[in-house]
Formats: sequence, structure tokens, C-alpha cells
Amino acid sequence: SQQGEEDPQALSIQEGENATMNCSYKTSINNLQWYRQNSGRGLVHLILIRSNEREKHSGRLRVTLDTSKKSSSLLITASRAADTASYFCATDRDSNYQLIWGAGTKLIIKP
Amino acid sequence: EAGVAQSPRYKIIEKRQSVAFWCNPISGHATLYWYQQILGQGPKLLIQFQNNGVVDDSQLPKDRFSAERLKGVDSTLKIQPAKLEDSAVYLCASSPGTGRGYIQYFGAGTRLSVL
Repeated sequence: SQQGEEDPQALSIQEGENATMNCSYKTSINNLQWYRQNSGRGLVHLILIRSNEREKHSGRLRVTLDTSKKSSSLLITASRAADTASYFCATDRDSNYQLIWGAGTKLIIKP
Repeated sequence: EAGVAQSPRYKIIEKRQSVAFWCNPISGHATLYWYQQILGQGPKLLIQFQNNGVVDDSQLPKDRFSAERLKGVDSTLKIQPAKLEDSAVYLCASSPGTGRGYIQYFGAGTRLSVL
């Protein structure tokens, strides 16, 4: 069963704009992670945010976590063509450290 | 540092045939995962190994799927016989351990088409 749900399912923006993706989950978590998957490739870890953190930055990425709303957002600033990919959130539940994955947001950056 | 290696990259078989996938994790990583990813969906965990022992195989269709991890390093995933609905990308991932906050490192995957 899927724990996380990403929103929107697909997003198309112009290069240079910011992209925001959201993830909602159902049960309490230890951590939430975001991964990127380029077409035909495996997943690459982007950022991990712990349940006691509210915001985290990594380069052009900014992740927020609201445990009261059971939601997270991933912001990519100043998007580039190379950011075209699917983005997945994954949570590990409080009682189980296995990752439960959402269905992903497909991001297309138009030149 | 070498990444997770998987082979083959692509495989096309007919239904009821058998197929095997191979995975070599990052050196020293104790935990190995096999995921099934159907087009348009997130990865679904099939089986998790800790060294050469199975931690969780609750979502592995054991009537047709099997997996092993010999000597706690390489792993193979087998499907016998394959069904049309097994068409998917099979991803192998590894992590240094199991527990809070471990990142998973993925291979490029094997894309299986069952005709």
C-alpha cells in the first residue's frame, strides 16, 4: 500500500521558474525522503528530513515538513532542463523503517 | 565508489517463461532491497535482505517469485513462470544498514516486458 501521495501528478514549467511539489502521508513517520528518477534510470536520493525538523535546504532544493498536517513540500528554485524527472517522496513509518513510496510527480522543464 | 550494478538492463520474454535478474550492491552495504516499479507508480518493495537473511518478503508473490543473496553480497531475483502483469522495472537498492535515516542507493533497474 502507498503511504505517500504526491501532488500534482505532473507539472510543466519554463526554465528558470520555481517548481513546487507536495507530498501527503497517512501515518506518523521517523523521516521523509525525496528522490529523483530520470527517465529509464534508477532513483537518486535528494534530501532527508527528520520528523523533528521543519525545513531543510540543499543547493537549489528546499524541503519543508509539517507533521501536524502530515505533509511535505519540495521546492526547486531556478529550474533547469536537467531537473526534468519524476520526483518521489518516501516515508519510513514510526514502527517500521521500510520506505513507503508515493506515485511521484513528473516534472517537465521547458527551455 | 562504485554504485549498485544490475543486469540485464532490458529483458523481453513470453508469458510462462522464466527470467532472472542480478544485483551487485555497493561494497559493504548490509541491506539489499528488490523493488517492482510499474509504469506511472512508485516502487513497491518485494523483498529486503539484511546480510544474507530475509528481513521482509511479505509482498513477494512466492508462488512465482524467488530471491536469494548468497554470502550476503550479490543477489538474484527470479520469476517463474512470468505473467503479463509482471511487466515492470525491477530495481535493486542497497543501504549501509537498516534503521532510522538510512539512504537507499539504487541501480539503474531492469526493464522487463512480458508478451
